[in-house]
Amino acid sequence: SQELEQSPQSLIVQEGKNLTINCTSSKTLYGLYWYKQKYGEGLIFLMMLQKGGEEKSHEKITAKLDEKKQQSSLHITASQPSHAGIYLCGAATGGNKLTFGTGTQLKVEL
Amino acid sequence: DAGVIQSPRHEVTEMGQEVTLRCKPISGHDYLFWYRQTMMRGLELLIYFNNNVPIDDSGMPEDRFSAKMPNASFSTLKIQPSEPRDSAVYFCASRVTGGGEKLFFGSGTQLSVL
Repeated sequence: SQELEQSPQSLIVQEGKNLTINCTSSKTLYGLYWYKQKYGEGLIFLMMLQKGGEEKSHEKITAKLDEKKQQSSLHITASQPSHAGIYLCGAATGGNKLTFGTGTQLKVEL
Repeated sequence: DAGVIQSPRHEVTEMGQEVTLRCKPISGHDYLFWYRQTMMRGLELLIYFNNNVPIDDSGMPEDRFSAKMPNASFSTLKIQPSEPRDSAVYFCASRVTGGGEKLFFGSGTQLSVL
């Protein structure tokens, strides 16, 4: 079965700083999804990457997919308190299912 | 449009009791998924349905767990009897064919079994 490992597990940054979260797969990535979860809430879809080398941006968040490395990265520029939460990557594993990574908890200090 | 609706938001019960979690997917979505989230194991897929038919229930932990989808707008996840190790947040998610694997999640049910 496919496993997704995220790093770091947790991260504390000062407001205004940049940060990167990585998601590494044990198998070839055919589609990679990034979600954000706030405490006590469900997951909110951020971005979907489907092709090697693909890069997408939304506001201050950029995600990239490196198919060869079986890895995706999520980069936040000039972090804000609203970026705090848990970030999860999910991979399409065939059979119409998404398998999720271990999650990265982000805290943004004022 | 309303998103995925789950009820109850919180459930506290005693070991041995029956628990029923409910989910209303987004209208028009033909896939429905039940996930469980714990600190130890993260987010795990329990079962999913396509057009109200269970397709893969390999993630259902034991016979104590059962799920049904009697129609396109309603699904239940039942635990009977419940045990303390079932304590977790249970999420329902739905998606539509042609939208890739993009899931829309409900707010979850926080289950505590004492």
